[in-house]
Amino acid sequence: AQSVTQLGSHVSVSEGALVLLRCNYSSSVPPYLFWYVQYPNQGLQLLLKYTTGATLVKGINGFEAEFKKSETSFHLTKPSAHMSDAAEYFCAVSDRGGANSKLTFGKGITLSVRP
Amino acid sequence: DTGVSQDPRHKITKRGQNVTFRCDPISEHNRLYWYRQTLGQGPEFLTYFQNEAQLEKSRLLSDRFSAERPKGSFSTLEIQRTEQGDSAMYLCASRQGGVGTQYFGPGTRLLVL
Repeated sequence: AQSVTQLGSHVSVSEGALVLLRCNYSSSVPPYLFWYVQYPNQGLQLLLKYTTGATLVKGINGFEAEFKKSETSFHLTKPSAHMSDAAEYFCAVSDRGGANSKLTFGKGITLSVRP
Repeated sequence: DTGVSQDPRHKITKRGQNVTFRCDPISEHNRLYWYRQTLGQGPEFLTYFQNEAQLEKSRLLSDRFSAERPKGSFSTLEIQRTEQGDSAMYLCASRQGGVGTQYFGPGTRLLVL
């Protein structure tokens, strides 16, 4: 079974400050890892994903994440927050090579950006 | 628009009524997923189709829920005898085979009174 832990339900940063959203996963097989963003009353949009290869993954809107197998982590960062980054962020894991590759999500983190 | 579409976007119903939601995936995607998202939680997997075959159902999918994907194109999710606990956002996603990304639709928000 797979699981995702996102510590804390709410993170607040000032505009221009570093964004760090934490994600730890549990998987009995090598995972694929994803970060999705959800704006109010909308579906989920993929920010970035790790499948194989380079462990530092760059995504859209200046976000990046690093896969650390030894720490079972996939934390999301952005050097400088923008007001438009305010949204809910979900980390997800799927079973590499699994037949259906369903996603298992964390509970999400709400990011607020202060002017 | 070539993304995943869902209809309706919002549905209000009374307890005990039946509801049906529709999902139209990206046209070349042969895999389709349904998830449910309740307030303050991440999406939870409900069921998965590869073409027209329903290959996996979560234990969350009680016998009041049924999903179909005739001809491997659009999919429908029906909830019979709705309960207040069914109130949630129902999300549909589709992807191609291999390591393709799941692309999500805007969701159908259900409120059961």
